[in-house]
Amino acid sequence: DIVMTQTPLSSPVTLGQPASISCRSSQSLVHSDGNTYLSWLQQRPGQPPRLLIYKISNRFSGVPDRFSGSGAGTDFTLKISRVEAEDVGVYYCVQGTQFPRTFGQGTKVEIK
Amino acid sequence: EVQLVESGGNLVKPGGSLRLSCAASGFPFSRASMNWVRQAPGKGLEWVGRIKSKSDGGTADYAALVKGRFTISRDDSNNTVFLQMHGLETEDTALYYCTTGAADYWGQGTLLTVSS
Repeated sequence: DIVMTQTPLSSPVTLGQPASISCRSSQSLVHSDGNTYLSWLQQRPGQPPRLLIYKISNRFSGVPDRFSGSGAGTDFTLKISRVEAEDVGVYYCVQGTQFPRTFGQGTKVEIK
Repeated sequence: EVQLVESGGNLVKPGGSLRLSCAASGFPFSRASMNWVRQAPGKGLEWVGRIKSKSDGGTADYAALVKGRFTISRDDSNNTVFLQMHGLETEDTALYYCTTGAADYWGQGTLLTVSS
């Protein structure tokens, strides 16, 4: 199984400041079709997860442009350019390249 | 608008069985693969399994922890996907979400508690 490792596990951020979360996979996420199926999810307190980013860097419908994704191969990053109060929650990376699908442990973003 | 509504969660004794349902609307369900993902209280997300569309073969894949105990099926005439669970263990206690194939849409979840 592909192991997804996120760092940090907790990220206290000042409102208006940037935040960055790293996700590393135990093997390359490049699929045989040439795509890299790495997504980022946001889970606000008491809510189900919500898709933010798919295929490394594509923002899902309705996602603010302060969220961006980057990376390749085994190393990926989610950045929030300026954290807002509504961004508080847990962020997960997930790989869709190989079964079983596997998630990172989650990174808790909170306001300092 | 895409909607996924899970139901069927309950309190079940260890060794028991339960079937969860997920009613979908707002997208061409019959052409979509569907996943089940669970989240134990206070924990992270864990993929349970997925079922392909019938046009892709309609087969299901499962996480090792549930293989042989859980079965995913679908009823395209009613836009519903099911998770049949047998041999339930206390470790299966979780909020169970159904999601579309690429995890682009999620339901609100239904809670399974396995306890004596």
